[in-house]
Amino acid sequence: GQQLNQSPQSMFIQEGEDVSMNCTSSSIFNTWLWYKQDPGEGPVLLIALYKAGELTSNGRLTAQFGITRKDSFLNISASIPSDVGIYFCAGITVSSRLTFGEGTQLTVNP
Amino acid sequence: EPEVTQTPSHQVTQMGQEVILRCVPISNHLYFYWYRQILGQKVEFLVSFYNNEISEKSEIFDDQFSVERPDGSNFTLKIRSTKLEDSAMYFCASNLQPDTQYFGPGTRLTVL
Repeated sequence: GQQLNQSPQSMFIQEGEDVSMNCTSSSIFNTWLWYKQDPGEGPVLLIALYKAGELTSNGRLTAQFGITRKDSFLNISASIPSDVGIYFCAGITVSSRLTFGEGTQLTVNP
Repeated sequence: EPEVTQTPSHQVTQMGQEVILRCVPISNHLYFYWYRQILGQKVEFLVSFYNNEISEKSEIFDDQFSVERPDGSNFTLKIRSTKLEDSAMYFCASNLQPDTQYFGPGTRLTVL
């Protein structure tokens, strides 16, 4: 089945720093989604990308759908303590199932 | 803002027992899903459901699992005879079109 390789696995940053994480795959995806998950809760949708090359922002978050349709990145600018959590990329192919990456654990030190 | 709800938030059961996890998807959504997340791991797809039937299922979704939409609002996941390895967070998700999916808060299933 499809696999998404997400990196880095974890990040430790200072408040105010910018963050970048990405996902790559050997498979083509039609949609890329980025979710954030807090402990004991469900994934919360941050950004959805529908077209190759698309660059979309949501406040301090920016994500891009790679031209090859095999990768995506998420940037967080000027991080704040509440950005702490696990960030997952997820992709959709021709079926509607989501394939998730392994997640990036983000820690922000005040 | 409408959201997916799930009950119970935590279910503890004995191995071999049947459990039913319940979900109320967002009201105008048409596509429904179940995912699970073993502690510390990524979220894994179990099954998708549309037009009152399963549209896709993963290799995890074996004969012990079943889904049902018993009325216009609920969507359930039944595990007939639970095993220790079924312990996980189970998430329901829904959407209006088969792309962006909105997740519920999850049910933590603990099998003893």
